[in-house]
Amino acid sequence: GENVEQHPSTLSVQEGDSAVIKCTYSDSASNYFPWYKQELGKGPQLIIDIRSNVGEKKDQRIAVTLNKTAKHFSLHITETQPEDSAVYFCAASPNQAGTALIFGKGTTLSVSS
Amino acid sequence: GAVVSQHPSRVICKSGTSVKIECRSLDFQATTMFWYRQFPKQSLMLMATSNEGSKATYEQGVEKDKFLINHASLTLSTLTVTSAHPEDSSFYICSASRLAGAFYNEQFFGPGTRLTVL
Repeated sequence: GENVEQHPSTLSVQEGDSAVIKCTYSDSASNYFPWYKQELGKGPQLIIDIRSNVGEKKDQRIAVTLNKTAKHFSLHITETQPEDSAVYFCAASPNQAGTALIFGKGTTLSVSS
Repeated sequence: GAVVSQHPSRVICKSGTSVKIECRSLDFQATTMFWYRQFPKQSLMLMATSNEGSKATYEQGVEKDKFLINHASLTLSTLTVTSAHPEDSSFYICSASRLAGAFYNEQFFGPGTRLTVL
């Protein structure tokens, strides 16, 4: 089955700096890769996703890149702000309807002002 | 769009009682709903996958007689924790999946339910 590794487990940056979180996956059949942001006591919120027919996707300060050959994908947050502080999870899913996401273990991002 | 609600958001119960948690997709029809459990500072652990009108598929190690799942409609799934014990205390989160395009699924998560068993 699929296995998703996520690094780093914690990341501290200064406001305005960039933050990068990396994930690797094992199942070459996976082709959907979402990223979630989870604030304390709340459910995960989908912030961006990428599918295997795309190498990069950007939404304002957030971007995701995918390298299918190397089986890794990354989340890039530019111009970080204190409100970006949260736990970020990457996930992978194969191309089958109704298949659960496999999550990484999460990255706690702290942005200090 | 794509809003998922959960009720209740927080529940405290006595050991031995049963607790029902509802998960609703408010503005879309969910082909599949998933139930996760999350311990403090850990990732989400999939408990079961639920399709409308059929029996849920439970992950290995999850007791189906203890965690009863009913998926009565395309917008509602319920999780009942039967005979709850303190070790069942956790954060329970549901998600709902809809088809986006021909082959891809997006999952949207509810806000979670904090269960505390005394």
